[in-house]
Amino acid sequence: GAGVSQSPRYKVAKRGQDVALRCDPISGHVSLFWYQQALGQGPEFLTYFQNEAQLDKSGLPSDRFFAERPEGSVSTLKIQRTQQEDSAVYLCASSYRDSYNSPLHFGNGTRLTVT
Amino acid sequence: AQSVSQHNHHVILSEAASLELGCNYSYGGTVNLFWYVQYPGQHLQLLLKYFSGDPLVKGIKGFEAEFIKSKFSFNLRKPSVQWSDTAEYFCASHSSGNTPLVFGKGTRLSVIA
Repeated sequence: GAGVSQSPRYKVAKRGQDVALRCDPISGHVSLFWYQQALGQGPEFLTYFQNEAQLDKSGLPSDRFFAERPEGSVSTLKIQRTQQEDSAVYLCASSYRDSYNSPLHFGNGTRLTVT
Repeated sequence: AQSVSQHNHHVILSEAASLELGCNYSYGGTVNLFWYVQYPGQHLQLLLKYFSGDPLVKGIKGFEAEFIKSKFSFNLRKPSVQWSDTAEYFCASHSSGNTPLVFGKGTRLSVIA
């Protein structure tokens, strides 16, 4: 499959635990985005990478959220000391262009439930 | 800050009925507009997009959308829906330049036989 792959599909964490969510973008795609989608809401921007550079992290809700893409391909979104309000679907998207201005290819998301 | 409003939370239509889903955006300058669709159990995928030119945009599966600048609107239409159009539809926009895509809250469409 040539799509964006995210793992795990589902994650249950106890409040206070750390979690790591993985995204494998489409091979060769320069741009990678993370979005958070709460229940009944649209996706909300978290952060943007162009290759390995994190160019925009304005959407990260707190310093408990951290993202990296060290080799310009796979990306990991880490949430430390999870809280109940972190429960959401985390979406990863990639695009072949090096800008915000290109159609995004989304993965199926990781549904995080914090109990 | 940019925002996108989708007027309908849940729309229920019979097969062959016509569809129009509302979308309004807030940004007053040059804007790029998108409709994404999420079928049950699947990922978000692009339905159509508007960057410039003809304000009537044709997308996949018979969908179209019309950009009306004076109304800040980009409504999605389809003349005759099918059961397979049951999905959640998201309108999204971003201003030209380096700003991320902003999504509306989505409209759930249920098509019944």
